[in-house]
Amino acid sequence: NAGVTQTPKFRVLKTGQSMTLLCAQDMNHEYMYWYRQDPGMGLRLIHYSVGEGTTAKGEVPDGYNVSRLKKQNFLLGLESAAPSQTSVYFCASSIPGRRRGYTFGSGTRLTVV
Amino acid sequence: AQTVTQSQPEMSVQEAETVTLSCTYDTSESDYYLFWYKQPPSRQMILVIRQEAYKQQNATENRFSVNFQKAAKSFSLKISDSQLGDAAMYFCAYVYGTYKYIFGTGTRLKVLA
Repeated sequence: NAGVTQTPKFRVLKTGQSMTLLCAQDMNHEYMYWYRQDPGMGLRLIHYSVGEGTTAKGEVPDGYNVSRLKKQNFLLGLESAAPSQTSVYFCASSIPGRRRGYTFGSGTRLTVV
Repeated sequence: AQTVTQSQPEMSVQEAETVTLSCTYDTSESDYYLFWYKQPPSRQMILVIRQEAYKQQNATENRFSVNFQKAAKSFSLKISDSQLGDAAMYFCAYVYGTYKYIFGTGTRLKVLA
């Protein structure tokens, strides 16, 4: 089925460990995004990309890095995980323009202990 | 700065009844879109309904409709004939420019049998 696929779906990390979250879309969307969802805070934009090879900072970029080497993939990296990064992470993609909205992945629940 | 406010952290509705979820936003833009997304326990974000700011007619999708008051910057979601499957977290979102979304903090809807 066409859509946005996130891996892994769940992960537990120890403080200081690193990891990469993978987002893959097969809809040929130009734009891709990483959000984190925390209780009472809605969704907050971490980083986004408006095309292959481009990335930009969102609202809460500190502690995260991203790469978009291929149009269909958008990677989110945590170099040294902290308990404050415990969250649910969502990837989304869209076409240029606003009318159609986002297509979201199913999320990754990350716990940092 | 653009903001989106959902003042009801939680709402309850009896099955088959009607419920309205409120959303207000702050913007100086004149051209923008508004969306309601549903997040069931599966975590998957699902687009429920969209409204284009330049259209005065309120959007409707089956049992879901909006009351869009542009001057008051209000965008409420009405769910008619509520069903158990409507139980979810609902997020209001505002998008301006070509891709920049602002999400509200969400309203958890409980449907009582």
